Amino acid sequence: EAQVTQNPRYLITVTGKKLTVTCSQNMNHEYMSWYRQDPGLGLRQIYYSMNVEVTDKGDVPEGYKVSRKEKRNFPLILESPSPNQTSLYFCASLRTGVWNTEAFFGQGTRLTVV
Amino acid sequence: DAKTTQPTSMDCAEGRAANLPCNHSTISGNEYVYWYRQIHSQGPQYIIHGLKNNETNEMASLIITEDRKSSTLILPHATLRDTAVYYCIVRATGDYKLSFGAGTTVTVRA
Repeated sequence: EAQVTQNPRYLITVTGKKLTVTCSQNMNHEYMSWYRQDPGLGLRQIYYSMNVEVTDKGDVPEGYKVSRKEKRNFPLILESPSPNQTSLYFCASLRTGVWNTEAFFGQGTRLTVV
Repeated sequence: DAKTTQPTSMDCAEGRAANLPCNHSTISGNEYVYWYRQIHSQGPQYIIHGLKNNETNEMASLIITEDRKSSTLILPHATLRDTAVYYCIVRATGDYKLSFGAGTTVTVRA
């Protein structure tokens, strides 16, 4: 089954404690991205990756890092989390092509930073 | 840079067709219309997309006007499980970023 898997689904952490949210896809997609969703602000892109070792900033990259060492994985790293990073996070991968560019999303990670 | 306009919310009776409008008056010739939905904080789910012809799949139908400035997503027989936020997005081939607006909150009532 085609899927994007995020872990953990829920996380409560303290300010300043480094954390990583993992994302893995089994569809051999080249493009992957991270979004955060906040009430009233919708889904905003944090970082994206066009392929292995190719990453770039989205609209709200401050406070986040990513890496893409292999095609299937795209972890989101918060080196020093702060309360304003409390949010719902989604990882997505995109099937690309001339005609069909359908995005697949993970089930989300609800992060609370206290 | 909102490219689409959708109503904030709409109600629909279970078993009836739900028609969701979307305006995209500035759409370019190489931009497709995509629809996604998000059920209560789950990850957004792809529904359908089209360029200029009407499209149908197992989930919905997409009707695009001849001038391509607006479209309608049709859920033929809405069920309670169709209650979700529906997003209309325009995007060109090769443009992989999805820009979600506020979408339409659809509530299907029994």
